[in-house]
Amino acid sequence: SQQGEEDPQALSIQEGENATMNCSYKTSINNLQWYRQNSGRGLVHLILIRSNEREKHSGRLRVTLDTSKKSSSLLITASRAADTASYFCATALAETSGSRLTFGEGTQLTVNP
Amino acid sequence: DTAVSQTPKYLVTQMGNDKSIKCEQNLGHDTMYWYKQDSKKFLKIMFSYNNKELIINETVPNRFSPKSPDKAHLNLHINSLELGDSAVYFCASSQLGGGNEQFFGPGTRLTVL
Repeated sequence: SQQGEEDPQALSIQEGENATMNCSYKTSINNLQWYRQNSGRGLVHLILIRSNEREKHSGRLRVTLDTSKKSSSLLITASRAADTASYFCATALAETSGSRLTFGEGTQLTVNP
Repeated sequence: DTAVSQTPKYLVTQMGNDKSIKCEQNLGHDTMYWYKQDSKKFLKIMFSYNNKELIINETVPNRFSPKSPDKAHLNLHINSLELGDSAVYFCASSQLGGGNEQFFGPGTRLTVL
C-alpha cells in the first residue's frame, strides 16, 4: 500500500461545518505536507508540518502530526463551498534523496451551500 | 504571472505517435519534477531534475524521456504512445532539500486514442 493513505476517501458536508481528513504513513518522515487540488487544476500547497512539530495553524486550517502513530489530520473549520476540492497529504521521508514527496490517494471534499 | 507553466493543456493523439510536453518555472527553483496522475487521482512521481541533472528516475518505461535544457525548463518526450499513457501529467518545482514545498503547473491532460 502507499506511504500516505488518507481517509475518508470522500467527505460531504454543509457549509459552515468543520471537515476533518486523516492521513497515515509507514516510515519515518522529515515533514508532512497537505495540498489541495481543485477540479481540473494543479495541486496547491497548503501547509507543511515538520516531524518535531505537533500542531500547526494557517487561517482556517489546523494540522496535527502524531509521529508515534504515524498519522496526521487536516481540519478545515467553518467550511465554504469554495473549499470543495481534493486534499492530499504528502510525506518527505527522513532518508530522502533530493526533494522526493510521496503523495496519498486523496480525500474528495464536497461542501454543499 | 504564472509560476509553473505547461504546454499544451490538452493533448489528444493516436496510439504509436510521439509527443512532447513542455514545462517552465520562473521561481528560480533548482529542482523540477514530472508526475503522472491517473483516473483515480493517484499522483506518482516519474522524474526529478536538479539543476539539469537527473536525480530521481522512477520505474517508468524508457519511452518516456525527460530533458532539461536549463534549470528553468523540464520537458517530457513520450515515444510510441500507448492507451495506458492516458493521464494528467503535472510538472512541479521546488528548492532542493528536505522535502520542500512543491509548486505545481496546471497539468496536461493526455488522451491516447
